Amino acid sequence: NAGVTQTPKFQVLKTGQSMTLQCAQDMNHEYMSWYRQDPGMGLRLIHYSVGAGITDQGEVPNGYNVSRSTTEDFPLRLLSAAPSQTSVYFCASSRQGPYNEQFFGPGTRLTVL
Amino acid sequence: AQTVTQSQPEMSVQEAETVTLSCTYDTSESNYYLFWYKQPPSRQMILVIRQEAYKQQNATENRFSVNFQKAAKSFSLKISDSQLGDTAMYFCAFVESNAGNMLTFGGGTRLMVKP
Repeated sequence: NAGVTQTPKFQVLKTGQSMTLQCAQDMNHEYMSWYRQDPGMGLRLIHYSVGAGITDQGEVPNGYNVSRSTTEDFPLRLLSAAPSQTSVYFCASSRQGPYNEQFFGPGTRLTVL
Repeated sequence: AQTVTQSQPEMSVQEAETVTLSCTYDTSESNYYLFWYKQPPSRQMILVIRQEAYKQQNATENRFSVNFQKAAKSFSLKISDSQLGDTAMYFCAFVESNAGNMLTFGGGTRLMVKP
């Protein structure tokens, strides 16, 4: 099993550009989530999904969109990048919600100029 | 709003010694789950230990154990026989059973194990 994979590993954007961070898992997990990690602030939940076709907002959803058309994939879209979105982004998955162990991807370091 | 506080931004310990990382949380609920996650320099987050609030017994995983004080809303992590590979950021995390699937993380403690 590859576990949770994320692409790209690094990305530099200009203000106003859009892009999609990819996330995929091969463990047949129902729950998937996106976090951002900023220095000194731990991880903050952006969006999550409890199954294909079902998504919901987390703590910091503004400026991001998600969709879940399959169990395996959970892409995160930045609609119009801003410098405040410079961060490291992690995708995670778990069986039946965040009450169980979450498996994290390797992260994407995003810089918005 | 759920809050998780880790009051020690940085700690260090000598190899083979014991260290305790602190975590406090705020909730009015009685049923919830607590976690410690480790993030080594490779950036890969890994679960260290998990505690269910309704269980009185403290969770243990090999050299890692917790001191769960429900009344005090405290959830500290003890690492025994510290190893160089334990050098990492450690995050305490918390989710209420009826919180709508939202896991909240503390700000983290950077642990350095010295040879």
